[in-house]
Amino acid sequence: QEHLVESGGGVVQPGRSLRLSCAASGFTFRSHAMHWVRQAPGKGLEWVAVISYDDNEYYADSVQGRFTISRDNSKNTLYLQMNSLRAEDTAVYSCAKGGGYSHTYPFDFWGQGTLVTVSS
Amino acid sequence: EIVLTQSPGTLSLSPGETATLSCRASQSISSNYLAWYQQKPGQAPRLLIYGASSRATGIPDRFSGSGSGTDFTLTISRVAPEDFAVYYCQQYDNSPLTFGGGTKVEIK
Repeated sequence: QEHLVESGGGVVQPGRSLRLSCAASGFTFRSHAMHWVRQAPGKGLEWVAVISYDDNEYYADSVQGRFTISRDNSKNTLYLQMNSLRAEDTAVYSCAKGGGYSHTYPFDFWGQGTLVTVSS
Repeated sequence: EIVLTQSPGTLSLSPGETATLSCRASQSISSNYLAWYQQKPGQAPRLLIYGASSRATGIPDRFSGSGSGTDFTLTISRVAPEDFAVYYCQQYDNSPLTFGGGTKVEIK
């Protein structure tokens, strides 16, 4: 049974950094692309970043240069390093499992998310 | 960037009716890399349809997807009480991956 559990959210001041983690279990983590998706309060879904099984990374324009996605296959864990945070980054951040090795697969399982609030 | 426009924004239906949700892309989506997700309040999204028309594992056959190129449709036949939720389309053809703004299916 697949599980994705995010952690690391909280309240952070504008301009500061935060690192999110996503612990995966129940599937062969190293074989799948993994994504971060965010949802601002009361808003729709926004894709943030993807890392393929072989560490190719892609980002949304809104976070390019500020956020870095990474993975540790030995720990079955996905990360999102978020720097230079802005108020508009406030959202629930969820990790999602890609259906295959690259970004050209749908998201077939999602975590529940962790809330990041950027506020002074 | 491929922009996805969903319509209508809200659909008010009675249980047993048919829901027709539209997703229009700003440019053609190759290989029909178009998915539909369902999200209920406080829950994670759930994959319903991928490849424009293939149902994901465990999805009832009252959910069907169709379309190609730039115009896609999600149809829910005989809407059940548990189907009232927000539905998103998503393209996974090109980076940046994008979602539509969502259609809320509410009880009339």
